[in-house]
Amino acid sequence: DAMVIQNPRYQVTQFGKPVTLSCSQTLNHNVMYWYQQKSSQAPKLLFHYYDKDFNNEADTPDNFQSRRPNTSFCFLDIRSPGLGDAAMYLCATSLDGGYTFGSGTRLTVV
Amino acid sequence: RKEVEQDPGPFNVPEGATVAFNCTYSNSASQSFFWYRQDCRKEPKLLMSVYSSGNEDGRFTAQLNRASQYISLLIRDSKLSDSATYLCVVNPSWGGYQKVTFGIGTKLQVIP
Repeated sequence: DAMVIQNPRYQVTQFGKPVTLSCSQTLNHNVMYWYQQKSSQAPKLLFHYYDKDFNNEADTPDNFQSRRPNTSFCFLDIRSPGLGDAAMYLCATSLDGGYTFGSGTRLTVV
Repeated sequence: RKEVEQDPGPFNVPEGATVAFNCTYSNSASQSFFWYRQDCRKEPKLLMSVYSSGNEDGRFTAQLNRASQYISLLIRDSKLSDSATYLCVVNPSWGGYQKVTFGIGTKLQVIP
């Protein structure tokens, strides 16, 4: 089945230790997004790619970076995770409206 | 005023009840609208799109009121499995890149 796959499902990292979350898609959608969702809050857009064009949200901290080496894959790099970065990170794709989300990566910072 | 506003709830309703949620949006130029369902600690999943004429999918009915800038979701004959958070999503455009806005979600708890 075509889908959006995120790995790992759960990630524990140490305070300040770089971590990378991955997302892959078999939908061939041209737009990919990374969202951060904290408990009882709406998903917050961090950045998105429209094909290869990278778009950073103005309030996304510099600590967060992203790479999209090809249509299928997208990575979220957190250079120095802080306790406040603990959240669910959702990858999503879209083509003509409506999002398809991956199952998310729940990040814990210890 | 927030771009998209929802009552976070929780709405506690007995099985079999009818429950309705509203979602208001501030951008009158918004073009398309969706309801997503999110189970606890899971990703959001598309429940239904919302069209100007309203649309129905089984026990679920979604409606759009452009004049008053709100969308609604009606759930009839609530089931225990309907317990989840329902996110309202507003899209400023029809196609191409869409930077949508999510509501905070309304939590529904259906009780036996």
